[in-house]
Amino acid sequence: DAGVIQSPRHEVTEMGQEVTLRCKPISGHNSLFWYRQTMMRGLELLIYFNNNVPIDDSGMPEDRFSAKMPNASFSTLKIQPSEPRDSAVYFCASSLLGSLNSPLHFGNGTRLTVT
Amino acid sequence: AQRVTQPEKLLSVFKGAPVELKCNYSYSGSPELFWYVQYSRQRLQLLLRHISRESIKGFTADLNKGETSFHLKKPFAQEEDSAMYYCALSGLTGANNLFFGTGTRLTVIP
Repeated sequence: DAGVIQSPRHEVTEMGQEVTLRCKPISGHNSLFWYRQTMMRGLELLIYFNNNVPIDDSGMPEDRFSAKMPNASFSTLKIQPSEPRDSAVYFCASSLLGSLNSPLHFGNGTRLTVT
Repeated sequence: AQRVTQPEKLLSVFKGAPVELKCNYSYSGSPELFWYVQYSRQRLQLLLRHISRESIKGFTADLNKGETSFHLKKPFAQEEDSAMYYCALSGLTGANNLFFGTGTRLTVIP
């Protein structure tokens, strides 16, 4: 199993542009999480899905951020328009809901730089 | 509301010295606590969880409900322990919806 796959690994964009981050969870996992990592705040939960349904999006900073999970094997996090303060590493993670032995499995992250 | 506090952003110890990474939490119910680690150029991964009561790579962590703490300890630090460590809390079984602290970067000096 390749684990959680995120793309792109790095994204550099100009302020005002739309950014789309992608995630493929581990096959069979039914919970998917989007986190943002910064030096100041560490890992912040942005949103998570159970069985493709958004459960809690209270961590999404603003309306500029949106996330979708059209099926069990794919999710996107979109920022439109992007701003320099959005620069961070964005992690996707997946797990098996309801399983005591299923920790979160993280992807390699997408390092976003907005200039 | 749940909250995880890691008071030290940076921690340096010499090889062979004991190490303790502090973690305090606030949660009204019965929490499940975890330590995750991120080595250089690797993914964030689970190190240990309190319900397992296990020792991984020489690290242990005891949940102290009275002090609401879950400090990570190792008696003799090794160079390969240098990494970023995150304490995390879940209020539900199954490790769903984890809340992380801000992390502590551990550097073991040879």
